Amino acid sequence: SAVISQKPSRDICQRGTSLTIQCQVDSQVTMMFWYRQQPGQSLTLIATANQGSEATYESGFVIDKFPISRPNLTFSTLTVSNMSPEDSSIYLCSAGAGAFLMNTEAFFGQGTRLTVV
Amino acid sequence: AQKITQTQPGMFVQEKEAVTLDCTYDTSDQSYGLFWYKQPSSGEMIFLIYQGSYDEQNATEGRYSLNFQKARKSANLVISASQLGDSAMYFCAMREPAAGNKLTFGGGTRVLVKP
Repeated sequence: SAVISQKPSRDICQRGTSLTIQCQVDSQVTMMFWYRQQPGQSLTLIATANQGSEATYESGFVIDKFPISRPNLTFSTLTVSNMSPEDSSIYLCSAGAGAFLMNTEAFFGQGTRLTVV
Repeated sequence: AQKITQTQPGMFVQEKEAVTLDCTYDTSDQSYGLFWYKQPSSGEMIFLIYQGSYDEQNATEGRYSLNFQKARKSANLVISASQLGDSAMYFCAMREPAAGNKLTFGGGTRVLVKP
């Protein structure tokens, strides 16, 4: 199994500012993902964080708004840029242990609860 | 079209009774995986159970079992002997290797266990 530490756990930010969320995994993992969960909604994938290359973004999400870094196999960051109240959500980091085969459980960090005022 | 559909937005269940949470999925792939996660009010995502598309037997994990009906493309979660701590949101998710192994989630079902 993999243990994922995500920080900050929550933050209240002013509109127009940026917040960087960190995700640390206790073992090397092939794939890391960032999800957004808007209030009362399900999880939506923002992007797949690729080690050594640019992240792969899902439809509706762009690099300028959600820049992602993945400098090594255990760490990734997600930045929420130029925030507006609509960005208020829980942001979750996810990783698959080892080779991340189809039947591998996806582990999640505890989430970052972001409120933009 | 929705990849994962959970038709029950909310359910009440009496403590110690069983509850079934519905999940249907849509894929043209032969190889895929189905997952159930629990999300309590704290927000963490807790893995419950996994079913592979080639698994012939229904998955079970303690009080959780998965009623997998491949022809109907359904993967319902059964929680037996409900406990107060089972009150949470429950999400069904699918992974398709052909889609990069990312997880796609359903809309979720909120379960409230009554004493």
